[in-house]
Amino acid sequence: DQQVKQNSPSLSVQEGRISILNCDYTNSMFDYFLWYKKYPAEGPTFLISISSIKDKNEDGRFTVFLNKSAKHLSLHIVPSQPGDSAVYFCAAIGSGAGSYQLTFGKGTKLSVIP
Amino acid sequence: DAGVTQSPTHLIKTRGQQVTLRCSPISGHKSVSWYQQVLGQGPQFIFQYYEKEERGRGNFPDRFSARQFPNYSSELNVNALLLGDSALYLCASSLWTAGNEKLFFGSGTQLSVL
Repeated sequence: DQQVKQNSPSLSVQEGRISILNCDYTNSMFDYFLWYKKYPAEGPTFLISISSIKDKNEDGRFTVFLNKSAKHLSLHIVPSQPGDSAVYFCAAIGSGAGSYQLTFGKGTKLSVIP
Repeated sequence: DAGVTQSPTHLIKTRGQQVTLRCSPISGHKSVSWYQQVLGQGPQFIFQYYEKEERGRGNFPDRFSARQFPNYSSELNVNALLLGDSALYLCASSLWTAGNEKLFFGSGTQLSVL
């Protein structure tokens, strides 16, 4: 039972254009969301996060949007660069019991084409 | 500053054997978490340790165990290995155990069970 879903296994985008990666969740107890980026042979690295009390968080070229009513979040990368090519994982944390663990989606492989 | 270090990087075992994976957290970090990433899936939570005590456990059988040492390093042990235990095992460290604490991941140990 996937509580965090990334329904697009892969995405290809031209350099300079916008990349939009989507994530849906089912557990209404989740109240903090994170995006991690992973290159081959490396561990995931933190990219950006958002609390459920916000609907947008921005950090340079990266913006995360949260729609609580739809249980949906998205990561926008503008402009996309070849170095952004990686696997992107959406992750969530809930309040209360189990609040120490991240629940990850399956990931979306982003390819930015020069 | 050194990041999270894991050893070994690769390991090949046969079914029924036992394996020990090691992790050194970032200096000053007192919490260590372990995640299993099977090919094509997102990382799945196994354990979290803080100040040498187990603070959380994921949905894994008792064949999986871990401990944290006084210097905050950690070991993950897996007994009676199964083919399905083949995966990338990721260690992550953080300062505390707060739910929104940013995790820093190591590059992982790739375990192959034959």
